[in-house]
Formats: sequence, C-alpha cells, structure tokens
Amino acid sequence: NAGVTQTPKFQVLKTGQSMTLQCAQDMNHNSMYWYRQDPGMGLRLIYYSASEGTTDKGEVPNGYNVSRLNKREFSLRLESAAPSQTSVYFCASISAASTYEQYFGPGTRLTVT
Amino acid sequence: AQSVTQLDSQVPVFEEAPVELRCNYSSSVSVYLFWYVQYPNQGLQLLLKYLSGSTLVESINGFEAEFNKSQTSFHLRKPSVHISDTAEYFCAVSDRQAGTALIFGKGTTLSVSS
Repeated sequence: NAGVTQTPKFQVLKTGQSMTLQCAQDMNHNSMYWYRQDPGMGLRLIYYSASEGTTDKGEVPNGYNVSRLNKREFSLRLESAAPSQTSVYFCASISAASTYEQYFGPGTRLTVT
Repeated sequence: AQSVTQLDSQVPVFEEAPVELRCNYSSSVSVYLFWYVQYPNQGLQLLLKYLSGSTLVESINGFEAEFNKSQTSFHLRKPSVHISDTAEYFCAVSDRQAGTALIFGKGTTLSVSS
C-alpha cells in the first residue's frame, strides 16, 4: 500500500515549456486534490476532483489544467509554465465516507526559470 | 468564504518548554478542524482532528488541541516539546456544507532548541 505517489520529485522548466505532474493513490479514495505550497502562503487549492469524471476549480486555478484519468489517477498540467508557478505541488486524496483525513503525497518541487 | 488565521508565523522555544500554536477560523458554521505537521523536505502528515464529540483532541505524540466554538479557535498545545518537534504546523478547516476541500492557514514554524 503505497498511499499517494507523485512524479516527478523535482523538475526544472524554462518559461513557456509544458509539463504534467502525475498523482496516483491506491486507497480507493473518491476525492483527489492538487495544492501548491509557497513560503508564507500555506497550501492553496488549485483544482480538485470530488469523484471520477468530475473536476472543479479551487482558489488558484489559472495557468493549470487537470485530468481525472480514473479513480486512481489525477494529473496536473502546466501548458505554458511561468516563473510564478515555481512552487512545491502536493497531491492529496480523501475518503469522505470515513474520517475526512486528507492523505498527502511527498510533493513535486518545480522551478521555472 | 472560510478562512484560517495562524497568529504566529514562527515560534522559537527551548526543549522541554510548553508551547501553544494559535489558530482561528472565520466561520461559526459546522466545521471539521485539523492540524497537519510538515517535517523538512517532507509532505504533510495529519497530527490530530476534530470532527465531533469531545472538544479536546489528542495526538499520539503528546500534542492536544481544543475546539472552542464561541471563539472559533482550535489552538494546538504541548506541555513539553522535544527537538524532534521542530517542523511547520498547519491548521486547516473543512466546511461540512461545502464538502471536503480543506482551507489551510499559512503555517507556523516551530523551532525547538536545546
């Protein structure tokens, strides 16, 4: 049982490049989330997926797109990276039927130059 | 919209001293409350949570938090800290009516020195 996994762990992009951050969970959770963490800002919700086939915007969705590929996987895409997207990105999942605890992945540290 | 305020961005303490990390949230509607801990270069781990019932909740490593509905607070306390408690602590709230998305505070860095 790996929990929530994220790839890659680190990435450096040039401005304008695109990339997809991958997230997968093996806990059969319904809801999945993407957050970004910036110094002094806490975690801010980018997008979430309450269930397979649905996605919704969070607090800071501009510049990002997401895909809920199946129940296990929830990817985050940057179509044209900007320096303001330099951040640490965390994926999380939750089973709302149980304890409302969100389980977090280890994070992806992204630098856009 | 719901918001969370962590009143101290940094809290330096000496080992074995007591500590309180303060957290206030904006709404008095029914909420779930959480404290998460993040050790350096790691992801977030749940420390403790309040869903319902007793207003005092405890973690396995000696932290406790008390839900105070009238003051909309959920302060985290530990009577005697260890060097290993050095980490960043995040308070988070989930509005029961809005689903399960968490709103996080900006975090408090707890630095424990000998």
